[in-house]
Amino acid sequence: EVQLVESGGGLLQPGRSLRLSCAASGFTFYNSAMHWVRQPPGKGLEWVAGISWNSANIGYADSVKGRFAISRDNAKNSLYLEMNSLRTEDTAFYYCAKDSGSLVDTGSLNYWGQGTQVTVSS
Amino acid sequence: QSALTQPASVSGSPGQSITISCTGTSSDVGTYNLVSWYQQHPGKAPKLMIYEVSKRPSGVSNRFSGSKSGNTASLTISGLQAEDEADYYCCSYAGTNSYVFGTGTRVTVL
Repeated sequence: EVQLVESGGGLLQPGRSLRLSCAASGFTFYNSAMHWVRQPPGKGLEWVAGISWNSANIGYADSVKGRFAISRDNAKNSLYLEMNSLRTEDTAFYYCAKDSGSLVDTGSLNYWGQGTQVTVSS
Repeated sequence: QSALTQPASVSGSPGQSITISCTGTSSDVGTYNLVSWYQQHPGKAPKLMIYEVSKRPSGVSNRFSGSKSGNTASLTISGLQAEDEADYYCCSYAGTNSYVFGTGTRVTVL
């Protein structure tokens, strides 16, 4: 059974940094591209970042480019999102999602974690 | 990377068919056959319903179907059931390793 478990969320002040983690199991992690998607309270989904199986291809939403960094450790079956210079508008539920393929451009996220809440407030 | 445009809400009676539109641009929906659709029940993670415009993952009911014409993709739910009441989001590849989601549609079963 595919499992994606996010952790690392919390409450922090604007300008601070936070690192989210996603522990993967039940599938061949090193063969899969991975993504982060977020959802502000009561609002819609926003794709945040994606990374290919070998970290050679990475993409970011314009809203986080230059502030967030996605990475992975295939030896640890883990995905990460380093978030810097956090803003109040980054407040959201952050989901880790598995891509159906190994590259970022396959177009479907076929498994999702349950998410972790990030709240940025002064 | 502007969000794809979806109607805020669509409703139908049990057994009816409904269609949700998803309008993008020539930079996303119009260029790539990489449109997917996700169903999200309240408090739950999204679930993939359609990928590559019209393909259904294993286990998804054949009452769900997808299509695309120009810059607009569509999701049709036929034989509407109470369990279909949820939020639905389209998503398109937008080039250079990036994606864009739709604004979301609340489906209500009357």
